[in-house]
Amino acid sequence: EIVMTQSPATLSVSPGESVTLSCRASRSVSNNLAWYQQKPGQAPRLLIYAASTRATGISARFSGTGSGTEFTLTISSLQSEDFAVYYCQQYNDWPPLTFGGGTKVEIK
Amino acid sequence: QVQLQESGPGLVTPSQTLSLTCSVSGASVSRGGHTWSWIRQHPGKGLEWIGLIFPSGNTYYAPSLKSRVTMSLDTSKSQFSLKLSSVTAADTAVYFCARGYCSNASCWYSWFDSWGQGTRVTVSS
Repeated sequence: EIVMTQSPATLSVSPGESVTLSCRASRSVSNNLAWYQQKPGQAPRLLIYAASTRATGISARFSGTGSGTEFTLTISSLQSEDFAVYYCQQYNDWPPLTFGGGTKVEIK
Repeated sequence: QVQLQESGPGLVTPSQTLSLTCSVSGASVSRGGHTWSWIRQHPGKGLEWIGLIFPSGNTYYAPSLKSRVTMSLDTSKSQFSLKLSSVTAADTAVYFCARGYCSNASCWYSWFDSWGQGTRVTVSS
């Protein structure tokens, strides 16, 4: 099973700042990685797939990079609606499909 | 636009079988190009993939749950379902159904592009 590790667990940031979230795979997943955003009481929403491709309707403030085992999600100029929990997920080597533990982006 | 909606009992008795259905509108569960998954989230925790079914009916399950999980398709109703047997309190969670978008013809590589809103299931006597 590929273990996905996200860091940090929590990020405290002010609106307007930029943040970078990290996701590490226990072995290479090529570029078969997705990022999701989840707000309280809601289902996750797809942000990024194939490590760096934004999903339909996703703001250009969200960008993904990486391949192999190291990935990042950058959110530029944080807006109020961006405060949420972010998950990475690998779909390269399964079953099982696996998610990271999440990074909570909270208001400072 | 595809929509997914989970349905099923919100309370299940320990040792019984949890049964959930995901109703899909705006897409066909039998058409290629997509897969159909169940994912759960324990209270205050992260996401756990339970299993996936292809339009062909082929299924893949998380090894940790494989002995207790059965997924199936009902193409006439545009639904897919989850059965989880011998439940315990550890199965208390919000259960999501989700569509996988296939990146290639084999559909081996897919990400979750649409999700249901989730349904909360509590296992308790």
